[in-house]
Amino acid sequence: GENVEQHPSTLSVQEGDSAVIKCTYSDSASNYFPWYKQELGKGPQLIIDIRSNVGEKKDQRIAVTLNKTAKHFSLHITETQPEDSAVYFCAASNSGAGSYQLTFGKGTKLSVIP
Amino acid sequence: DGGITQSPKYLFRKEGQNVTLSCEQNLNHDAMYWYRQDPGQGLRLIYYSQIVNDFQKGDIAEGYSVSREKKESFPLTVTSAQKNPTAFYLCASDFPGANVLTFGAGSRLTVL
Repeated sequence: GENVEQHPSTLSVQEGDSAVIKCTYSDSASNYFPWYKQELGKGPQLIIDIRSNVGEKKDQRIAVTLNKTAKHFSLHITETQPEDSAVYFCAASNSGAGSYQLTFGKGTKLSVIP
Repeated sequence: DGGITQSPKYLFRKEGQNVTLSCEQNLNHDAMYWYRQDPGQGLRLIYYSQIVNDFQKGDIAEGYSVSREKKESFPLTVTSAQKNPTAFYLCASDFPGANVLTFGAGSRLTVL
């Protein structure tokens, strides 16, 4: 089955700096890579996703890049703000199979220091 | 507002007792899911259901049971057979094939 490794497990940055979280996956059939943000006391929420037919996707201050050859994808947050503090999860699946196939990474706790 | 409601938010249970966690959604989603979250771990799938009256085991179904009698509801029972039930439980839903999960706020179960 799919295996998703996520690094780092914790990350502290100064407000205004950039943050990068990296994930690797094992199954070359995976073609859908979402990122979820979980704020304290809440359930995760989808913030951005990328499919294997593109290499990069941006949405305001967040971007995701995908390297299919190396089987890794990354989340980039620029100009970090205190409200970006949360746990971030990457995931991978074959998009045709449905959400039950999603394999999640173990999460990265991001702390943005004012 | 549409969303997923999980209850209770906090639950304490004595060893040997079964406990049922509620999950209700008003998003008209066909598929519903239960995940378990432990500190420093990812989300692990317990059970999922893609249609009423049908459900499938996920990766860690042992010691859990579910039912799906209504489209809106997908309760999870943590049985006494679950050896390490203390965890944060998340319910989610989506349209099959949409790959965009909507999560509830979670239920934290502590076994005393």
